[in-house]
Amino acid sequence: EIVLTQSPGTLSLSPGERATLSCRASQSISSNFLAWYQQKPGQAPRLLIYGASGRSRATGIPDRFSGSGSGTDFTLTISRLEPEDFAVYYCQQYGNSPPTTRSGSWTFGQGTKVEMK
Amino acid sequence: QVQLVESGGGVVQPGRSLRLSCAASKFTFSSFGMHWVRQAPGKGLEWVAVIWYDENNKYYADSVKGRFTISRDNSKKTLYLQMNSLRAEDTAMYYCARDGGYSFVFGLFDYWGQGTLVTVSS
Repeated sequence: EIVLTQSPGTLSLSPGERATLSCRASQSISSNFLAWYQQKPGQAPRLLIYGASGRSRATGIPDRFSGSGSGTDFTLTISRLEPEDFAVYYCQQYGNSPPTTRSGSWTFGQGTKVEMK
Repeated sequence: QVQLVESGGGVVQPGRSLRLSCAASKFTFSSFGMHWVRQAPGKGLEWVAVIWYDENNKYYADSVKGRFTISRDNSKKTLYLQMNSLRAEDTAMYYCARDGGYSFVFGLFDYWGQGTLVTVSS
């Protein structure tokens, strides 16, 4: 099973600043299928970024969110933080289907909290 | 806009059973794989189970294999999770989520419901 490790655990920033979140995989992710989700308190997660190397934005996601990376190292960048961007962000590997013991199940990182400084 | 509404959560004693439901609308339910994903209080996300769009394939996380059963009724546009032999560690918010693949399952969760809380406690 692929283990995803996100860093930092917490990021303290001010509105307007740039946020850089890291997601490292324990082994190379097949086809670089890596997704990012945003979760606000009391809400369900929301898909932000997906696709090979995490480069595609989901419907309605503003272009200040972008993803990059390949192999085992991936990054979510928020170019200029808006007040509504303060939340917890999770990375997730997918694409290995079906999720058997051999191919591994779909896993999430432990999350990075972006808090207002 | 895709809508997913979970129900059936509650407080249940260890060893007992519970069935969750997820009512889907505003998309062609029978063309998409569907998942259950859970989140223990204050913790991260854990994929639980998936069912293919045509019900032909079902897979489970090791933590629930043999105890939970995922099913669907495409005529009712509803997803289910039958949870048996519940344990304290099954306490979590349970979300249903649509798979992002059309007639194929990728393991990408593109739409989520608001969740239903399951508490396993004596």
